[in-house]
Amino acid sequence: GESVGLHLPTLSVQEGDNSIINCAYSNSASDYFIWYKQESGKGPQFIIDIRSNMDKRQGQRVTVLLNKTVKHLSLQIAATQPGDSAVYFCAEGRSSNTGKLIFGQGTTLQVKP
Amino acid sequence: KAGVTQTPRYLIKTRGQQVTLSCSPISGHRSVSWYQQTPGQGLQFLFEYFSETQRNKGNFPGRFSGRQFSNSRSEMNVSTLELGDSALYLCASSRDPSPDTEAFFGQGTRLTVV
Repeated sequence: GESVGLHLPTLSVQEGDNSIINCAYSNSASDYFIWYKQESGKGPQFIIDIRSNMDKRQGQRVTVLLNKTVKHLSLQIAATQPGDSAVYFCAEGRSSNTGKLIFGQGTTLQVKP
Repeated sequence: KAGVTQTPRYLIKTRGQQVTLSCSPISGHRSVSWYQQTPGQGLQFLFEYFSETQRNKGNFPGRFSGRQFSNSRSEMNVSTLELGDSALYLCASSRDPSPDTEAFFGQGTRLTVV
């Protein structure tokens, strides 16, 4: 079956530290992966994406790593700030399955001041 | 530029009733997808519309339906509501249906079935 799962439901980090949020997926046919951030009372917000022909992509303070061998995706946030506190979801998509994203269960990131 | 607008924000219905939720996509976006978000199941894909046609559908019963209008606005309908339909219903719009086209989510409609 298709599933995208996250290893930890809650991650607590100190402000200024780096955060790593992990995600495992089972569908090797997925060719596009996205990380979303959802703050309380809001819809998911796009953070960064990566295609299956890449293994790393960097944005502003964020890096996504993709390991297709073990079907693993991670989001690294550098110098975590209180404003980063939210629930983070990974999602997968397939070019052949238009419009449909499969989301993981989400990891809550708590940033301690 | 205005984001994705979902109305209403909150809704309380009783079992057996039906409900219609509305989504106005970002101007110029022609693809609209709907998701159901619950604490237990997370975000689950409902359906996706592009150019007034349903192009993809998730594993939900036939009580869940939707449509898209010529101006790309979309509605979803749930008939014969059950307690388990209580959820946050999210709409996402994108320029086209390709999954690697960035999707923008609205704030959602919080539906409570009592």
